[in-house]
Order: sequence, then C-alpha cells, then structure tokens
Amino acid sequence: EAQLVESGGGLIQPGGSLRLSCAASEFIVKYSYMSWVRQAPGEGLEWVAGFYTDGATYYGDSVKGRFTISRDTSKNTLYLQMNSLRPEDTAVYYCARDRQGYDSSGYFYDAFDIWGQGTMVTVSS
Amino acid sequence: AIQLTQSPSSLSASVGDRVTITCRASQGIASPLAWYQQEPGKAPKLLIYDTSSLESGVPSRFSGSRSGTDFTLTISSLQPEDFGTYYCHHFNNHQFTFGPGTKVDIK
Repeated sequence: EAQLVESGGGLIQPGGSLRLSCAASEFIVKYSYMSWVRQAPGEGLEWVAGFYTDGATYYGDSVKGRFTISRDTSKNTLYLQMNSLRPEDTAVYYCARDRQGYDSSGYFYDAFDIWGQGTMVTVSS
Repeated sequence: AIQLTQSPSSLSASVGDRVTITCRASQGIASPLAWYQQEPGKAPKLLIYDTSSLESGVPSRFSGSRSGTDFTLTISSLQPEDFGTYYCHHFNNHQFTFGPGTKVDIK
C-alpha cells in the first residue's frame, strides 16, 4: 500500500528555520506530483507548495520567498525547507500525492489521493 | 484568486439521514472539484475527485455532483463513521484552494 511518512517537525523560535521530510513507499516520487498542505490548530486546510514531475515548483502566497520545496529521487523523499518562520506558520504539515488527469469533458482535475500522518511545527518564543 | 465557500458550516444529523453539503466558488469555475473527509486528529481522506468520481474504497453512499456554480457532496444514508469535517478542493493555474469545511456531527 502506498504510504507517506513525514518527519522533522518541532518547536522553533520565530525567525528560525526547519526542514521537513516526507518519505514515500510503494510509489515513486520522481513520477508523481507532490504537495505540502498545512493545518493550523482548529483551522482548515491550506495548500503550501507543490512539486511537479518536470521539476517546476509552486507556492502559496503566504509562504512564497520563505519556503522551498524539493525532492531527492535517490531517497524517494520530498522536503520542505522553511525559513524566516513566523508564529502564524504554526500548524500540522502534511505531504500529499497529487492525482492529476483530464476528465471526459477535457477539463483538468487534481486531487490529493495519498496523505501522510502529518508533522507538527510550532513557532514560538 | 478563487475563494470557496461551504454551506452549512456545521450540521448535526441522525444515522440514516440524507446529508448534503454545498461548495460554491467566488467566480465561475469550469474545472472539477474534489471532496475530503477529515476525522479529528487524522489526515484528510479523499472521497470524490473530478466532481463526481468515487475514490476507490469509498462507500457508494458518498456522491458528488454539480449544478451550475454549485458543487454538492451527498451522503445518502449517514453512518456513525461519517462524522468529521468535510472539505471541498479546487485546482486552478497551479494554485490549490480549499473550502473552509463543514463539520458533521452524529446526533
């Protein structure tokens, strides 16, 4: 069964940096679209960043310029480097695999079909 | 940027009830939506993709549809394990948007 396991969360002071990891099993990250999604305590879901199979990366407005998504195909692992952390970045961070395709009407669809268990990041002094 | 709203924000229903959750975009969208269920303390789980396609392993009591600018998730007969928060999700121009969620409680 395909699985994602995140690690690297913890308590960090404002302005600090942290790198999250997401190890994949039973599928190949290199051939998959992957994303990071976060959820602040008691709040809804927020997409953070995406990594396409062609190497293109995309970011949500709230993290652009501070976070970097990357992958290591030899380790089948996705990463999220988080710099200049702010208290509002406090959240559970999930990695997820995107399923993308075109439907019968020719419209492009995307959905996150595999999720990790999440790793908690707390930004506080 | 496209914003998604969901209604109701919460509901309480009895086992066996038919439950409908609506997701509406701030502007007309042509591309499909996905729906997720999240139980407290757990990761979200994909239920519906491409507006109405049922994810493998998801019970057939879940269905998705679209009418104009409104997207709907329907649970035909609510079961005890269906509690949690439901989110709609849209992708457009390399940006992903989630609805604010609908919390479902079992009476």
